[in-house]
Amino acid sequence: NAGVTQTPKFQVLKTGQSMTLQCAQDMNHEYMSWYRQDPGMGLRLIHYSVGAGITDQGEVPNGYNVSRSTTEDFPLRLLSAAPSQTSVYFCASSYSSRRLVQAEAFFGQGTRLTVV
Amino acid sequence: AQKVTQAQTEISVVEKEDVTLDCVYETRDTTYYLFWYKQPPSGELVFLIRRNSFDEQNEISGRYSWNFQKSTSSFNFTITASQVVDSAVYFCALSGSGGYQKVTFGTGTKLQVIP
Repeated sequence: NAGVTQTPKFQVLKTGQSMTLQCAQDMNHEYMSWYRQDPGMGLRLIHYSVGAGITDQGEVPNGYNVSRSTTEDFPLRLLSAAPSQTSVYFCASSYSSRRLVQAEAFFGQGTRLTVV
Repeated sequence: AQKVTQAQTEISVVEKEDVTLDCVYETRDTTYYLFWYKQPPSGELVFLIRRNSFDEQNEISGRYSWNFQKSTSSFNFTITASQVVDSAVYFCALSGSGGYQKVTFGTGTKLQVIP
């Protein structure tokens, strides 16, 4: 059981380049999210999805696009990379619990992105 | 708006000492959930515990224990007899209840356990 898989693990981009961070989960979770982690800031929500075809913005969505065509995949696109997007990116999935318990998030290993 | 405050940025302890990581939260929700996650030096985020707002019982899991006090809006985490493997960044987090809920994370506390 792979859980949440993110690729790549490391990436260096030049300012203005675009790229896609991949995220896939094999747990059939409905909910998926992208976070960025910056020193002293904790994790901040970029975009999230509550199911295939449904996405919405989080706290820091500018400069990022997402789509969710399948339950399994939730790629994050950087449209025109900027140095301010240098960060560690985490993808997470969680499930809708029918036991009325708020589910925990399952995180991928993270992608360390540097924009020069 | 929800807020989670982890006032301790970094803590260093000597192995076998006990250490408490503080977490204070703010929310207007009457039903909410609190979480703790561990991020070891390898970078992944590991779920440790979930607590809902109606359950104020303290929880103990091995050397880990959690103290939830609604009266002070705190959800503190204690490691007893710390070990080097406990060295990590620990995040406290808060969410509402029902369906998808955005999770608000604290800024994390970096714990260093010195052998």
